[in-house]
Amino acid sequence: ETGVTQTPRHLVMGMTNKKSLKCEQHLGHNAMYWYKQSAKKPLELMFVYNFKEQTENNSVPSRFSPECPNSSHLFLHLHTLQPEDSALYLCASSQGGGDEKLFFGSGTQLSVL
Amino acid sequence: GESVGLHLPTLSVQEGDNSIINCAYSNSASDYFIWYKQESGKGPQFIIDIRSNMDKRQGQRVTVLLNKTVKHLSLQIAATQPGDSAVYFCAEAYYNQGGKLIFGQGTELSVKP
Repeated sequence: ETGVTQTPRHLVMGMTNKKSLKCEQHLGHNAMYWYKQSAKKPLELMFVYNFKEQTENNSVPSRFSPECPNSSHLFLHLHTLQPEDSALYLCASSQGGGDEKLFFGSGTQLSVL
Repeated sequence: GESVGLHLPTLSVQEGDNSIINCAYSNSASDYFIWYKQESGKGPQFIIDIRSNMDKRQGQRVTVLLNKTVKHLSLQIAATQPGDSAVYFCAEAYYNQGGKLIFGQGTELSVKP
């Protein structure tokens, strides 16, 4: 257990669906992240939140909408996705304030039909 | 541009042998490096890290070597076990750019019994 929990583990959705991914960290960290992991490609940073404030949006399409209600919870709202959005979505947390060491959840394997 | 890459996409070793996974980085200003292990169905797990003021760091059965002259990082696993089979990622960060980790593509390590 890394202290970062993601739900659901697997998600299949149609292109017109709306769904949300959830992440919760029990490490007392101040920064939370969403990464996309596609086959044969490096991890792609999507969003960063520090102390609940979004500090990074890595040119992510608006069909992905993050929400961070507090330092322990992070959501990724999905709307009208495309098949090429199918990937493993990983949540991570870190202490913040320049501490780069990330702790990852197990990810949500997303398939868009 | 900046990139972190691995020399080999796959590595196969015999159980009990030592493994060496290599990583090249291009940003000479990077001052923090980290190795992650990702097993099938799981998120990346922290293995070991090293700062640029060091050239070697040891953990339990693992050693990271940093050669700043040639911008090369390696992960050595002693007495490789079947449980070490996974994809290994290196990542670099530059503190003055917010310390964001830039990940390499990964090397798949396969341990033969």
